[in-house]
Amino acid sequence: DGGITQSPKYLFRKEGQNVTLSCEQNLNHDAMYWYRQDPGQGLRLIYYSQIVNDFQKGDIAEGYSVSREKKESFPLTVTSAQKNPTAFYLCASSGQGGTQYFGPGTRLLVL
Amino acid sequence: QKEVEQNSGPLSVPEGAIASLNCTYSDRGSQSFFWYRQYSGKSPELIMFIYSNGDKEDGRFTAQLNKASQYVSLLIRDSQPSDSATYLCAVLVSGGSYIPTFGRGTSLIVHP
Repeated sequence: DGGITQSPKYLFRKEGQNVTLSCEQNLNHDAMYWYRQDPGQGLRLIYYSQIVNDFQKGDIAEGYSVSREKKESFPLTVTSAQKNPTAFYLCASSGQGGTQYFGPGTRLLVL
Repeated sequence: QKEVEQNSGPLSVPEGAIASLNCTYSDRGSQSFFWYRQYSGKSPELIMFIYSNGDKEDGRFTAQLNKASQYVSLLIRDSQPSDSATYLCAVLVSGGSYIPTFGRGTSLIVHP
């Protein structure tokens, strides 16, 4: 079964803590993306990567970091610098045509 | 700046009716257009994409593209309560960075 997996489904962050969200795909896609969605809002791009070992900031990269060491994996770290991290985080990937496919999402809550 | 506009709704239609969802975009270089369905609390799911002017049909769904007028529509025939969701329009500019611009979505409610 080809697809995108994200874990965990729910994540709780304490004050001052860094947390990492996992995203894995077995679609053989070169490009991967991270979005943030707040209630009633659209998708906002955090970071994207079009090839292994390279990534670019999106519209709201402050307080977040990523790595792309393998084609299949694009983890997102929410750092303590992100003051309002509560949101639904979506990972997506795309192949040559640019069509994006999304993972199931991770809901991050602050304790 | 690229913009994709959608009426936030909610659009309410009775079961069995045709639901018409519209999306306008600002960049005339846009070449690829996508419709996603997002149920509450879930991630977006691709319904269909369209590249050429005219209509593209897939089951109960029809995408309509008019590049001259810069709009793309999604028609849902024989609407069912299970179609109640938020529908996101996304637009991709050719030769760019493969970063689509998403609209904020239209909420559709199909009532029995």
